[in-house]
Formats: sequence, structure tokens, C-alpha cells
Amino acid sequence: SQQGEEDPQALSIQEGENATMNCSYKTSINNLQWYRQNSGRGLVHLILIRSNEREKHSGRLRVTLDTSKKSSSLLITASRAADTASYFCATEATDSWGKLQFGAGTQVVVTP
Amino acid sequence: EAGVAQSPRYKIIEKRQSVAFWCNPISGHATLYWYQQILGQGPKLLIQFQNNGVVDDSQLPKDRFSAERLKGVDSTLKIQPAKLEDSAVYLCASSLAEQAPPEPEAFFGQGTRLTVV
Repeated sequence: SQQGEEDPQALSIQEGENATMNCSYKTSINNLQWYRQNSGRGLVHLILIRSNEREKHSGRLRVTLDTSKKSSSLLITASRAADTASYFCATEATDSWGKLQFGAGTQVVVTP
Repeated sequence: EAGVAQSPRYKIIEKRQSVAFWCNPISGHATLYWYQQILGQGPKLLIQFQNNGVVDDSQLPKDRFSAERLKGVDSTLKIQPAKLEDSAVYLCASSLAEQAPPEPEAFFGQGTRLTVV
């Protein structure tokens, strides 16, 4: 079974716009991570937020975490065509040290 | 720093045949994962190793799938016999999750795309 559920399943935007996607999960976690996957490639780690953090930034990425609602959001600002990819959240549950459970992903298409 | 290496990149086999995938993790990474990713879905964890011991294999179909990690480094994943529903990308990943504080970021290989016909 998959721990996280991303929303929306697909997102189409134009270059320069912001892209926001959400992740909901079910159990208590140590941390939540976001990964990107380009078509036909492996996953690339983007950003990690720990359970005691509420917000984190990395370049054009902003991640929030609300443990009371068991949800996270990923914001990509000023999107570029190169941001076209699938984005997955992954959680490490508190009782499953080192075990990452992935959601189904959000497919993002950025058109020039 | 070399990344996670996987081979082969692509494999096509007939159902009931056997197949093996190989993974070489990043040097020094104690934790190794095998994930199955069916088209349009997120990766599903099959097995997690800590050095050469199994931490979690609860979602590994043990009647047909097997995996080993000899000497705590390279790993192989085998399917025997394969079924049509095994068609997927098999991803290997590694992390430094043994360290304190834990560094749980996972590094993924390019994956092996398996097609069972």
C-alpha cells in the first residue's frame, strides 16, 4: 500500500507560473521528502522536511508540512519547461526507520 | 561521486522465464532498496537491506521474487518465473540511513525496464 497521496494527479501550467501540489499521508512520520522523476529516468531527491519543521526552502522550491493535518505541499515558483516531470512525496514513518513509502505522484507539464 | 548503477537498462522476456537485475549502490551507503514502479504509479518498496541484512521484505512476492546483498555492497533481484504483471521499472536506491543523525535521502539508479510478453 502507498502511504502518500498526491493531489492533483496532473497539472499543466505555462512557464513563469507557480506550480503547487499537495501530499497527504496516514501515519506519524520522521520526515517527508519530495522527489522528481523525468520520463524514463530514476528519481532525484529535491528536498526533505523533518517532522519538527513547518517550512523549508531550496532555490525555487518551497515545502510546507502540517503534521496535525498529515499533509505537505510543494511549491515551484517561476516554473520552467525543464520542470516538466512527475513529482512524488515520500514519507519515513516513525516505526519504519529508513523505509520510504511513495505516493502515486503528480505529473507536471510546463509549456513554453 | 559515482551514482547508483543498475543493469541491464532494458529487458524483454517471455512469461515463465527468469530474469535477474543487478545494482551497485553508492560507496559507503549502508541501506539499499529495491522498488517496483508500474507505469503511471509511484514506486512500491519490494525490499530494504541494511548492510547485508534484510530490514523489510513485507511486500516482496516471495514465491517468485528473491533478492540478496552479498558482502553488504552489490545486490541482485531475481524473478522466477515471471508473470505478465511483473512488467514494470525496477529501481534500486541507496542511502546513508545508518548514520546518526540519519541521512535518509535516497539516491536512485536509472532503473531496469522489464517487459514480460
